[in-house]
Amino acid sequence: ETGVTQTPRHLVMGMTNKKSLKCEQHLGHNAMYWYKQSAKKPLELMFVYSLEERVENNSVPSRFSPECPNSSHLFLHLHTLQPEDSALYLCASSQDFADTIYFGEGSWLTVV
Amino acid sequence: EDQVTQSPEALRLQEGESSSLNCSYTVSGLRGLFWYRQDPGKGPEFLFTLYSAGEEKEKERLKATLTKKESFLHITAPKPEDSATYLCAVQAAGAQKLVFGQGTRLTINP
Repeated sequence: ETGVTQTPRHLVMGMTNKKSLKCEQHLGHNAMYWYKQSAKKPLELMFVYSLEERVENNSVPSRFSPECPNSSHLFLHLHTLQPEDSALYLCASSQDFADTIYFGEGSWLTVV
Repeated sequence: EDQVTQSPEALRLQEGESSSLNCSYTVSGLRGLFWYRQDPGKGPEFLFTLYSAGEEKEKERLKATLTKKESFLHITAPKPEDSATYLCAVQAAGAQKLVFGQGTRLTINP
């Protein structure tokens, strides 16, 4: 148990669907992140939020839309995805940017 | 641009056979170098942070070391439960993100 909980753990969606990934951290951290992990590729940072404000958007397509309603919750809204978006999506949190980042278990996304 | 290269990509060892994993990096002012362990189907689990050349940290059978260009993760007398992918990442001074390597997939045979 890392203190970062992601739901759902597995998601299969069609290219015309709209779905959301949810992340909740129980560590009292003030920064939250979305990372993408594809087969044979390093983890890629997608978005960073600090105190509910987005501070980095790493050239991610607009079909991925993040939302951070408070410092404990982070969402990734998905719409009109492509099969190449199939990957493990990891949420993470830290106390300030200069501290260790802790990851959740990830959400496996398959786009069909 | 900050870069991390891990080698080898995959490593098979017999139980008890010690070895080292390498992480070479280039970064514009290192704030920290991180090692994570990742089991199949799970998120990365934090192991160590190293901040300056010469620093060493240990946890059970693992020992991480750092120079100005690379880090090593030494594994002593490994057990099958040490099988996992080991990820290295760096954070530049003032940066918000970690830059990850591709990982080393370690398999320990009983």
